[in-house]
Amino acid sequence: GQNIDQPTEMTATEGAIVQINCTYQTSGFNGLFWYQQHAGEAPTFLSYNVLDGLEEKGRFSSFLSRSKGYSYLLLKELQMKDSASYLCAVRDLVQAGTALIFGKGTTLSVSS
Amino acid sequence: GAGVSQSPSNKVTEKGKDVELRCDPISGHTALYWYRQRLGQGLEFLIYFQGNSAPDKSGLPSDRFSAERTGESVSTLTIQRTQQEDSAVYLCASSLAPSGVRRDTQYFGPGTRLTVL
Repeated sequence: GQNIDQPTEMTATEGAIVQINCTYQTSGFNGLFWYQQHAGEAPTFLSYNVLDGLEEKGRFSSFLSRSKGYSYLLLKELQMKDSASYLCAVRDLVQAGTALIFGKGTTLSVSS
Repeated sequence: GAGVSQSPSNKVTEKGKDVELRCDPISGHTALYWYRQRLGQGLEFLIYFQGNSAPDKSGLPSDRFSAERTGESVSTLTIQRTQQEDSAVYLCASSLAPSGVRRDTQYFGPGTRLTVL
């Protein structure tokens, strides 16, 4: 995902809050997705944003600002099982048609 | 099925051999996608099916790669004359409708880890 940038690694402790940022450049923005991927497993869907603002779902929230080409995933009350890679993906109808363009992912390590 | 399934889970092959990877999407999902994930890299789009046709083949890296889908269900990705750079995890995803029509989430299978020696 050359047009999607997110930090490579982040660390945090149990019970803390962590924010994973994602910036993107698109020609035909049509939605932003966050996926969680544990090592050796399939990516699983976490959240979807197409309008500006915050989407909250339990301990996870995702924010989008289309004018800034910016999103973040907020994880609250971190647990050890949250250690995983978090993938930011954008749907760009002009650049990629129907497929998603993925960033390289942010590896989050949660320690006790 | 309950989720997207893929087979085999692991495939080790020798350079120059052909391999065939299979994907069973979630029942009723009309859209199917193949992605590739190389070590330390993001997911890379390969090909997309709407029903049994592939309107978007733009991501296939070379003519050694081909894919087909039958019965609006199972899809196979074939790599001919495999090269070492083909080593990656090949992920399949399906969704109810083609992306861009309406909000639609892609659900991923567990992937096939391909190692070309």
